[in-house]
Amino acid sequence: DTEVTQTPKHLVMGMTNKKSLKCEQHMGHRAMYWYKQKAKKPPELMFVYSYEKLSINESVPSRFSPECPNSSLLNLHLHALQPEDSALYLCASSQEGPGRGYTFGSGTRLTVV
Amino acid sequence: EDQVTQSPEALRLQEGESSSLNCSYTVSGLRGLFWYRQDPGKGPEFLFTLYSAGEEKEKERLKATLTKKESFLHITAPKPEDSATYLCAVQAGGSRLTFGEGTQLTVNP
Repeated sequence: DTEVTQTPKHLVMGMTNKKSLKCEQHMGHRAMYWYKQKAKKPPELMFVYSYEKLSINESVPSRFSPECPNSSLLNLHLHALQPEDSALYLCASSQEGPGRGYTFGSGTRLTVV
Repeated sequence: EDQVTQSPEALRLQEGESSSLNCSYTVSGLRGLFWYRQDPGKGPEFLFTLYSAGEEKEKERLKATLTKKESFLHITAPKPEDSATYLCAVQAGGSRLTFGEGTQLTVNP
């Protein structure tokens, strides 16, 4: 298995809703990432998990809450989002350490109404 | 701070018209330079990793090269299905990737 699987593919939520994005990989990668991508812009790093521990939080607002239940799963819990949070949310994984490329999932297209 | 600049922002080619995309970088201690292809609404798809100046890698119509300051992605005789955004990213210490803004390539039949 050489894929990163993200669900759902599309999500529309209201500003008072609570929802979660899910990401799964079975490549034995020990680093997992959440990225946010706006249209015609490069991916922006949000969070990095290394060996199931949060190692980087790029000053992301608390309405985004990551969770890594085990080495294969990564969640992003969403609460009280704003319309400007609408974007493509990408999950990626890699082997730990420098010189290791990422494998990206196909993303969740999030629309906040 | 690591910086990556890609040029041009957009490129239109006729089918069969070869060209190159540029990625200039400033990084302290390059551990890897990565090229990705991204189709609209999809996640980036890995193409190449380059580790040291002088290194070259090829895949079908694509060839990536690396110098101490920049990388080139050469596209030979492109086809319409090569149309996509091509992203360059660098990695220094740790596993963080720093992306450039990308080059949007359109190949017309």
